[in-house]
Amino acid sequence: EAGVAQSPRYKIIEKRQSVAFWCNPISGHATLYWYQQILGQGPKLLIQFQNNGVVDDSQLPKDRFSAERLKGVDSTLKIQPAKLEDSAVYLCASSLSRELPQHFGDGTRLSIL
Amino acid sequence: DAKTTQPPSMDCAEGRAANLPCNHSTISGNEYVYWYRQIHSQGPQYIIHGLKNNETNEMASLIITEDRKSSTLILPHATLRDTAVYYCIVRSNTNAGKSTFGDGTTLTVKP
Repeated sequence: EAGVAQSPRYKIIEKRQSVAFWCNPISGHATLYWYQQILGQGPKLLIQFQNNGVVDDSQLPKDRFSAERLKGVDSTLKIQPAKLEDSAVYLCASSLSRELPQHFGDGTRLSIL
Repeated sequence: DAKTTQPPSMDCAEGRAANLPCNHSTISGNEYVYWYRQIHSQGPQYIIHGLKNNETNEMASLIITEDRKSSTLILPHATLRDTAVYYCIVRSNTNAGKSTFGDGTTLTVKP
């Protein structure tokens, strides 16, 4: 089966600019997650969707980050405006259901200048 | 969800068994132990999970102590391709996904 697809693979922007990341989960996977991974640390959950509804966004900095999952399939994560501390890898994961293991994409590496 | 403690790094000789420990002393009864690994520049990869019984699959074995306060991931014959960061997390399947990744153990397999 095809894995979780993410794009772009790399992105470089200046602080205060906006950026968006795209994720296409594995077909049929109802649960979708966005994680932020700062260099040298483990992934931190930002938001979790069940179909197109938000289950958990308690760690999402809502003043600058937003995410949506239209039609319960693809998802986009946006940062507006970006800060230097947002430099990280943004990982998308999906699972058939909330109880099953997650499958991760290879992430988007974001660098803020 | 309970937190986990892992050693920051370990070495293992190629062909030998790699035993990666994890402490999860505050685990509750409905929380599973999951292991993932992350090879450089890739996303984490699911390895194995268990509740209280030992588990084995084609990648690894998971040994959970009787009191469930710690576990060990065993890679029976480590290869150079097993060099990665290994994450142990605990996760309630009633609220799956709300789990915390620590900083993991960097396993280096040496020839």
